[in-house]
Amino acid sequence: EAGVTQFPSHSVIEKGQTVTLRCDPISGHDNLYWYRRVMGKEIKFLLHFVKESKQDESGMPNNRFLAERTGGTYSTLKVQPAELEDSGVYFCASSRDLRGGYTFGSGTRLTVV
Amino acid sequence: GQQLNQSPQSMFIQEGEDVSMNCTSSSIFNTWLWYKQDPGEGPVLLIALYKAGELTSNGRLTAQFGITRKDSFLNISASIPSDVGIYFCAGFYNQGGKLIFGQGTELSVKP
Repeated sequence: EAGVTQFPSHSVIEKGQTVTLRCDPISGHDNLYWYRRVMGKEIKFLLHFVKESKQDESGMPNNRFLAERTGGTYSTLKVQPAELEDSGVYFCASSRDLRGGYTFGSGTRLTVV
Repeated sequence: GQQLNQSPQSMFIQEGEDVSMNCTSSSIFNTWLWYKQDPGEGPVLLIALYKAGELTSNGRLTAQFGITRKDSFLNISASIPSDVGIYFCAGFYNQGGKLIFGQGTELSVKP
């Protein structure tokens, strides 16, 4: 089966601009997650979708971050306006159930300058 | 909130040596997972542990779920150059989907 796909792989934007990250989960996986790793730190949970519904968005840093999953397929994560501290690698993951580990995408490396 | 303390932060070893890394937490976890991240890739699941005391192997990798449910270790035997990468422990705190990750152990293997 195809893996989790993320676009773009890299993005460099200026402070104050808007960036939209996209994630295509594995087909049939109802659970979709967004995580972020800031340089050298742990990978931190942002939010969890079950189909098109937000199950848990407790990790979203602030209201500059907006995640959507229309139709329960792919998801987008928009950062508007971007700040320097938003730089990091954003990972998307999907799973069929909640018991086992997820499958992660390769990530989007976001650099805000 | 829940936090995993992973050590060591980095390791530089010679090919053929054994490696050990561990994670501890002040909270009880129901599931422990070990992931490896290669450069430019996302984390890939290596081993999943579901029961306290469980010892599981995957090739040269062995991991254990601590009996107190607050710790786990990962051992790699006879390391090879392709073992290079960042290893993360992670745990499910409850039945929800949210994973808590450790800070990662960066492994370098000298041929």
